[in-house]
Amino acid sequence: EVQLVESGGGLVQPGGSLRLSCTASGFTFSSYAMYWVRQAPGKGLEFLSGISNNGGSTYYANSVKGRFTISRDNSKNMMYLQMGSLRAEDMAVYYCASAPRGEIIPAALDFWGQGTLVTVSS
Amino acid sequence: EIVLTQSPGTLSLSPGERATLSCRASQTVRNNHLAWYQQKPGQAPRLLIYGAFTRTTGIPDRFSGSGSGTDFTLTISRLEPEDFAVYYCQQYDSSPLFGGGTTVEIK
Repeated sequence: EVQLVESGGGLVQPGGSLRLSCTASGFTFSSYAMYWVRQAPGKGLEFLSGISNNGGSTYYANSVKGRFTISRDNSKNMMYLQMGSLRAEDMAVYYCASAPRGEIIPAALDFWGQGTLVTVSS
Repeated sequence: EIVLTQSPGTLSLSPGERATLSCRASQTVRNNHLAWYQQKPGQAPRLLIYGAFTRTTGIPDRFSGSGSGTDFTLTISRLEPEDFAVYYCQQYDSSPLFGGGTTVEIK
């Protein structure tokens, strides 16, 4: 059974940093692209970032480019999102998701974790 | 960048009725790289349809996707109680992004 579990969310001050983790199991992690999607309270889904199966290619939405960094460790079946210069508008539930292919694009997101909440507040 | 506009914002229907949800793109979505997701309160989204019309494993056949180019539709032929949720379209051909969502609520 495919499982994606996010961790690392919490309260952070504006301007601060946070690293989210996504632990994967139940599939050959190193074969598939992985993604981060977020959802602000009461709002819709926002595609943030993706990374190819071998980590060689990454993609960022304009809203986080230069502030967030996606990475993965295939030996640990884990993906990360390093978030910096956090703003109030970054407050959201952050989901990790996978796609049934190695390249980032094009790919629909077929499995999702349950999300981790990031709160940005002083 | 392609912008996806979903309509209506909210659809109020009764169980057993047919739901028709629209997703309109500002530019052609190449190769029908358009997906639909369902999200229930407190849950993660679930992929229903990809490639504009292909259902993922386990999705009932009352869900169907259609369309091409800039106009896409998700149809739920007969609403079951568990279908009342928010539905998002996503284009994943380039610069992936989601539409704003359509809420299907019980009338």
